[in-house]
Amino acid sequence: AQSVAQPEDQVNVAEGNPLTVKCTYSVSGNPYLFWYVQYPNRGLQFLLKYITGDNLVKGSYGFEAEFNKSQTSFHLKKPSALVSDSALYFCAVRERGGADGLTFGKGTHLIIQP
Amino acid sequence: EPEVTQTPSHQVTQMGQEVILRCVPISNHLYFYWYRQILGQKVEFLVSFYNNEISEKSEIFDDQFSVERPDGSNFTLKIRSTKLEDSAMYFCASSEQERGFDEQFFGPGTRLTVL
Repeated sequence: AQSVAQPEDQVNVAEGNPLTVKCTYSVSGNPYLFWYVQYPNRGLQFLLKYITGDNLVKGSYGFEAEFNKSQTSFHLKKPSALVSDSALYFCAVRERGGADGLTFGKGTHLIIQP
Repeated sequence: EPEVTQTPSHQVTQMGQEVILRCVPISNHLYFYWYRQILGQKVEFLVSFYNNEISEKSEIFDDQFSVERPDGSNFTLKIRSTKLEDSAMYFCASSEQERGFDEQFFGPGTRLTVL
């Protein structure tokens, strides 16, 4: 069975500082990995995904994520945080050739302080 | 930008009643999904739907649940004989293709409260 762990319920970062939201995964085979963001009263918005190739993936709003196969991690990063980045972030995984549904982590609240 | 829409945003029902949650996927998308999130828990996959039939379902999606695409635009989730534990946020999603790495686009969700 596949699973995703987001070890931090909340991450606090000062505006302008770099941010990292952690994600580790477990699948039997090779993964497709995703990050989604949820703002209040909105659906989950796709940020970026890892398919294959370059381990550093760039996505929307200046976010990027680094795939590390040996550590089974896919941490979300941004060099300089904005207050508007404050939201709930979800990491998700699908196994290649596996089930249709995404398996999500429990989410991490990112709070950017002015 | 095209969006997945869901109605109603909040549904309150009595235990034992039937509810229908509605979704309008993005118009050129062919694959549709329902997920749910019980308060404080993870978002969980319920079912996927393609070509007017269920493609895959999780163990959560038992006989109490059904899905339908009654016309060219709507995609519905019916929950029969609701239970207290069905209270959750239900998300609809759609994708253009289903190659494993295609991103799914989510609606804003319907909050179902069963009393």
